[in-house]
Amino acid sequence: EAGVTQFPSHSVIEKGQTVTLRCDPISGHDNLYWYRRVMGKEIKFLLHFVKESKQDESGMPNNRFLAERTGGTYSTLKVQPAELEDSGVYFCASSHQRGASYEQYFGPGTRLTVT
Amino acid sequence: AQSVAQPEDQVNVAEGNPLTVKCTYSVSGNPYLFWYVQYPNRGLQFLLKYITGDNLVKGSYGFEAEFNKSQTSFHLKKPSALVSDSALYFCAVRSGNTPLVFGKGTRLSVIA
Repeated sequence: EAGVTQFPSHSVIEKGQTVTLRCDPISGHDNLYWYRRVMGKEIKFLLHFVKESKQDESGMPNNRFLAERTGGTYSTLKVQPAELEDSGVYFCASSHQRGASYEQYFGPGTRLTVT
Repeated sequence: AQSVAQPEDQVNVAEGNPLTVKCTYSVSGNPYLFWYVQYPNRGLQFLLKYITGDNLVKGSYGFEAEFNKSQTSFHLKKPSALVSDSALYFCAVRSGNTPLVFGKGTRLSVIA
């Protein structure tokens, strides 16, 4: 069974540019989550999809971030325009069940550097 | 608000010695507690979780963790450390339908 995959693995962009991150969850997992880790700090929740619907987007930092999951399969996270403080590692995770007791399976992350 | 504290940024242990990585949490309601490990250039891997029942939870690669409700702790342990255990370890908590909340992570270095 393939795990969660993310693309690209690294991205370096200039302030003001746009970047789109992609996540492919484990096949059959309806729940998809985005997280971000800024250097040396906690991994912070961004949002949660159940199929194609946004279940919880309370962690999205501002309206420069747009997440989509058309068709309920892969998801994209677009940052437009990027700012310096957006630098960090963006993780995607998926789970089959949405309950709090179920573990989430994480992808390798996308390291975003905004210069 | 939920929170997780991992008081040690770095833990060093000699190979073959027991290891402990500390975690304390704060949550309203019943906690669901998780440990994840991140090896270099890899994603987070699930190690183990506490949901209910026996306070001692056993997980992957010989790791275990003990849930202590009175001390609100969920320390990760292994009786005999391996060099290959060197990695970044994250403790996380969830309650009800709230998002998963992580600690800052503890870097474990096992020295041969």
